[in-house]
Amino acid sequence: AQSVTQLDSHVSVSEGTPVLLRCNYSSSYSPSLFWYVQHPNKGLQLLLKYTSAATLVKGINGFEAEFKKSETSFHLTKPSAHMSDAAEYFCVVISSGTYKYIFGTGTRLKVLA
Amino acid sequence: DADVTQTPRNRITKTGKRIMLECSQTKGHDRMYWYRQDPGLGLRLIYYSFDVKDINKGEISDGYSVSRQAQAKFSLSLESAIPNQTALYFCATSDLTSGSVDTQYFGPGTRLTVL
Repeated sequence: AQSVTQLDSHVSVSEGTPVLLRCNYSSSYSPSLFWYVQHPNKGLQLLLKYTSAATLVKGINGFEAEFKKSETSFHLTKPSAHMSDAAEYFCVVISSGTYKYIFGTGTRLKVLA
Repeated sequence: DADVTQTPRNRITKTGKRIMLECSQTKGHDRMYWYRQDPGLGLRLIYYSFDVKDINKGEISDGYSVSRQAQAKFSLSLESAIPNQTALYFCATSDLTSGSVDTQYFGPGTRLTVL
């Protein structure tokens, strides 16, 4: 069975400092992994996805994530936080050849001025 | 115009009422999904449809039903709403083409409150 664990429910950073949102996954098969962002009163927007190509994946708005099979992790990072990054972030795993998304419980990012 | 739209965006109703949430998409995708989001629980799958004639239950389908009226339209119904169905509901679409990963695209959500 597949699962994802987002290790922090809330993260606070100061504007201009790095962002790290942690995600560990469990999958019996070669997984594909996604990060989505949800701004207040908005739907979910795809930030980036890993599909067994390059292990370092670059997404929109300066975010990137690195797939580490040995650590079963897919952490999301950004070098410098911006106020507009304040949102909820979801890590998602999907097994190869299937449709079913397994969502993490979300990490709410707060950016302090 | 948004690719995936949901109506209504907000709805307050009373226990026992029948409610329909609608989803339309202009992406031309075959696959459509309904999720609910509850604080601290992420998104959970209610129903999904891979084409007009294919409807499948997700992990939390009890108390819900769906209708796929056309490729572009997928409706979610609560036959007799109860307070614990108060949640944020999302519709999503995807199109699994050969060699690609099933990437889902989400609507803006419907906030439903059952009193």
